[in-house]
Amino acid sequence: NAGVTQTPKFRVLKTGQSMTLLCAQDMNHEYMYWYRQDPGMGLRLIHYSVGEGTTAKGEVPDGYNVSRLKKQNFLLGLESAAPSQTSVYFCASSEMGEQFFGPGTRLTVL
Amino acid sequence: EDQVTQSPEALRLQEGESSSLNCSYTVSGLRGLFWYRQDPGKGPEFLFTLYSAGEEKEKERLKATLTKKESFLHITAPKPEDSATYLCAVQGSGNTGKLIFGQGTTLQVKP
Repeated sequence: NAGVTQTPKFRVLKTGQSMTLLCAQDMNHEYMYWYRQDPGMGLRLIHYSVGEGTTAKGEVPDGYNVSRLKKQNFLLGLESAAPSQTSVYFCASSEMGEQFFGPGTRLTVL
Repeated sequence: EDQVTQSPEALRLQEGESSSLNCSYTVSGLRGLFWYRQDPGKGPEFLFTLYSAGEEKEKERLKATLTKKESFLHITAPKPEDSATYLCAVQGSGNTGKLIFGQGTTLQVKP
């Protein structure tokens, strides 16, 4: 039982490049979330999903897109990376109550 | 607007020196208040859920309590391994499961 896994763990991008972060959960949770964590800013919600095939905007959605084609997977895409997107990204899943987090992806955009 | 404020931002304790962390919140229709522990370079780890005023939960040296406006995380006789950032979050009414997080309190316990 791996819980929530994230791929990759680290990535360095150049401005304008694109990439996709993958989140997978094996707990059969309906709800999934993408956060970014920056020093002094805490955890901020980017996008979330309340079930397979659904997505919604969170607090800081600009510059990101998401897809939830399968219940166990939640993908976060950056179409044209900017230095302001340098951050640590966390995925989480839940069944309405407590959320369970993945180990994070550290992204640097040069 | 739902909001969570944690204090202090940072706390240094000597091993064995008990203290409390505070989490003040405003939320429309509290469904739950959550405490997490986060170690450097790792994802937040779930500790407790509190649902109503007066409720208490304990785990080893940690005890969480809840009132209508705030929650406390009491740390009794802490050890260096308790050093981490502690995050508080609230879940309000609605069917999205979204959590609103505070900024966290970074605890350092010196031997």
